[in-house]
Amino acid sequence: VQMTQSPSYLAASPGESVSISCKASKSISNNLAWYQEKPGKANKLLIHSGSTLQSGTPSRFSGSGSGTDFTLTIRSLESEDFAVYYCQQYNEYPLTFGSGTKLEIK
Amino acid sequence: QVQLQQSGAELVKPGTSVKLSCKASGYTFTSNHMNWIKQTTGQGLEWIGIINPGSGGTSYNVKFKGKATLTVDKSSSTAFMQLSSLTPEDSAVYYCARGGRILNYWGQGVMVTVSS
Repeated sequence: VQMTQSPSYLAASPGESVSISCKASKSISNNLAWYQEKPGKANKLLIHSGSTLQSGTPSRFSGSGSGTDFTLTIRSLESEDFAVYYCQQYNEYPLTFGSGTKLEIK
Repeated sequence: QVQLQQSGAELVKPGTSVKLSCKASGYTFTSNHMNWIKQTTGQGLEWIGIINPGSGGTSYNVKFKGKATLTVDKSSSTAFMQLSSLTPEDSAVYYCARGGRILNYWGQGVMVTVSS
């Protein structure tokens, strides 16, 4: 399953809201996860099952979608949110990832 | 707390092999699958395979069959990945990550550089 993530780069200011899109090449039901990558830290699982927040994920993060189209939304950006985000499908093996979205401070 | 501690960076020569380690702590090692993932600038994140530490059973991405071999040592709660017949295209950051399909904990990654 090919995962197409967009945009690849996003600049925003603290307090703003942003959305990241992830599209699957075929239906994956809601078997989608979102991860956060930050320098010097282990990647962090944010959301699974398309919209279920992992324990510890702030409520300003939300996920939506099913089938082939998914969205990660971050409301009221905080400084700690500037990172790279990846989607990943786990509907079938091999597990596949989106190409990533780098969220930078404007 | 769950931790996955990966071994240090490797500089290896083409044609040789390297064995990477991922030491798990903070949970029952044999109760959770372990995945390995490759990251490069060009290809992004690629799933290599998964091992069941309890049974030793493995499943590989067809792209990495013959390249990667996953094993575990239950006595030390450590997962290993051996990469063989290394080429410059194997230069990457390699991660271990716990989970069946959802990767709920990741190691910090290890950079492997293949160069003569």
